[in-house]
Amino acid sequence: GAGVSQSPSNKVTEKGKDVELRCDPISGHTALYWYRQSLGQGLEFLIYFQGNSAPDKSGLPSDRFSAERTGGSVSTLTIQRTQQEDSAVYLCASSLSGGAGQETQYFGPGTRLLVL
Amino acid sequence: GIQVEQSPPDLILQEGANSTLRCNFSDSVNNLQWFHQNPWGQLINLFYIPSGTKQNGRLSATTVATERYSLLYISSSQTTDSGVYFCAVLLYNTDKLIFGTGTRLQVFP
Repeated sequence: GAGVSQSPSNKVTEKGKDVELRCDPISGHTALYWYRQSLGQGLEFLIYFQGNSAPDKSGLPSDRFSAERTGGSVSTLTIQRTQQEDSAVYLCASSLSGGAGQETQYFGPGTRLLVL
Repeated sequence: GIQVEQSPPDLILQEGANSTLRCNFSDSVNNLQWFHQNPWGQLINLFYIPSGTKQNGRLSATTVATERYSLLYISSSQTTDSGVYFCAVLLYNTDKLIFGTGTRLQVFP
């Protein structure tokens, strides 16, 4: 597609429920990233996928967070047993090949998650 | 870890004014990007500028890597320039962007 797309745009859930957020990267981009933007923490890295390599999960805040990328394209970020502090905007980005910082990352519109 | 600080945190301008936004980083970086986050939350790429100077219309950016700072210049500001401006850096051997604290710009007619 023309850009990175994310769904849903907005998600309201109750504390303790699981949620799944979806990201479709730019066609042909092999590197995919998830970031989170929250009021207290600013923009922070969560996880990075590059081709068939093992993902870099170093930014995931707890074991309630996981992500997968199927077929080297679409990615799903799952948050289990959501807590109110998970409320944030979850942003997905992609780049052509993730070549050790040599390329621009392009961001999607984000999913706004509110945990009640 | 690396610290990325932006100044000023807030900036209010009248349409037509010029401004300079600054990004300081505490360690050597492999890459630096400037983004504009519009009022709807979309992050828009402005510049990929690990060093040197680039210009795009009314915007230009300069990164002095040896002195660990970057500047974003906005000339003849317009109300559509309002939003939050972020710089983000990449350390060597990593692909995760580390974002600065942001500068919130409001341009009034």
